[in-house]
Parts: sequence; structure tokens; C-alpha cells
Amino acid sequence: IQMTQSPSTLSASVGDRVTITCRASQSVSDWLAWYQQKPGKAPKLLIYEVSRLESGVPSRFSGGGSETDFTLTISSLQPDDFATYYCQQYNSYSPTFGQGTKVEIK
Amino acid sequence: QVQLVESGGGLVKPGGSLRISCAASGFTGSDYHMTWIRQAPGKGLEVISYISSIDHYTHYADSVRGRFTISRDNGKNSLYLHMDSLRAEDTAIYYCARGNHAPGYGAGCPDYWGQGTLVTVSA
Repeated sequence: IQMTQSPSTLSASVGDRVTITCRASQSVSDWLAWYQQKPGKAPKLLIYEVSRLESGVPSRFSGGGSETDFTLTISSLQPDDFATYYCQQYNSYSPTFGQGTKVEIK
Repeated sequence: QVQLVESGGGLVKPGGSLRISCAASGFTGSDYHMTWIRQAPGKGLEVISYISSIDHYTHYADSVRGRFTISRDNGKNSLYLHMDSLRAEDTAIYYCARGNHAPGYGAGCPDYWGQGTLVTVSA
């Protein structure tokens, strides 16, 4: 299953509402996760099962969608949120990631 | 707290072999699927292999099938990846990760990750 994220890069300011899109080449049902990765660090799980917030993740992060089309929204971008974000499907025996979306400072 | 610590990375020549390890603590390893994920320099994430918690079912990405072997020692709470016939394109940071929230098949999504170990394949 191919996962395609858009945009590849997003320029935004602190306080902006930001939405990243992830599209699957076939249905992944609700088995979709989102990760945040900062330079030199391992990815961090933010959301699983489309919209379930991992423990400790701020509520400004939210996920939505179903089947093939999904979104990650940051309601009010904070300085700590500038990073690269990846979606991942785990609906098959071959889990796959999107190519990533870099959120940079405008 | 949950910790995953990889070790064993390094420089290896093309065609060579290497075994990397992951020591888990803070949870019972046998209760979880475990996954190896790699990230080439400046690139995205690739799940290359996972092993299930109970029946030790294993899965490999096409890019490594037949060359890499995943294994686990639940008694030592450890995960291993033996890599043979290494190629330049295998150069990457290799992360071990704990799988969770699985739908009853597959490895679930990684909820805890190690810090990674760098494998460089170069003459």
C-alpha cells in the first residue's frame, strides 16, 4: 500500500492552523498513525487508529479521515511543532510510511 | 519506563555481514511485536522487518528479504537483526521499535523507538 502525503513542505507561523494530508493507494480502514520527527531524533507517535491521541501528546494535535484519505491538524502551531511528520498505515502485513511533510518556520 | 537501546552498528564493506541488537526494558518483550525500521540519510522511514510476540511470525520488506534475518530472545528481552550481503543502499540509521495497537494481524504501529544505530556500507 502506497502512502502519499501533501504537501512535502509547509511554511507556517506560530499560531497558524496547519493541516497535512495523507492518501492511501487502497483502503487501510482505521489503521493509520501519525509521527513527528525532529532532526537527529527518533520519530514520536502522535496519533493511532486515525484519531486516538497517544498519551502525553498535546490536544492541539488531531487526526481524521477514513479508508484512503486522512488528515493531521495542528490547531495552533507552537515553536516545538516545527518538525517532519509522517503518516503510516498498519492495515496490512507490510506496513508503510508516507514520504513525510516538513513543517518549517515562515 | 520503556527503553529501547540499539547497538552493533558500524562500518562494513559491501558484501559483508553485521548483527545489530536492541535491548528492551520497562516492559515484557514477549507481550509485544517488535520491528526494525530504517532511515537512509536525509530520507524517509522504511519498515524492513518485524517479528510477532507469540508465534514469532516474521515479515520482511522486499528490499531485504533473503539477506536479513530478525530474531528475538524473550528471556533476554532482546531483538536482533542479522544482515548479510550488505549493499551501499543499506546505509541507514536502524531503529528498533515496539509495536502496539495492532488490528489482530501485522505488527501494529510503533509506539516506542530506540535512538537508532548507524550502519554504513562502504568500501
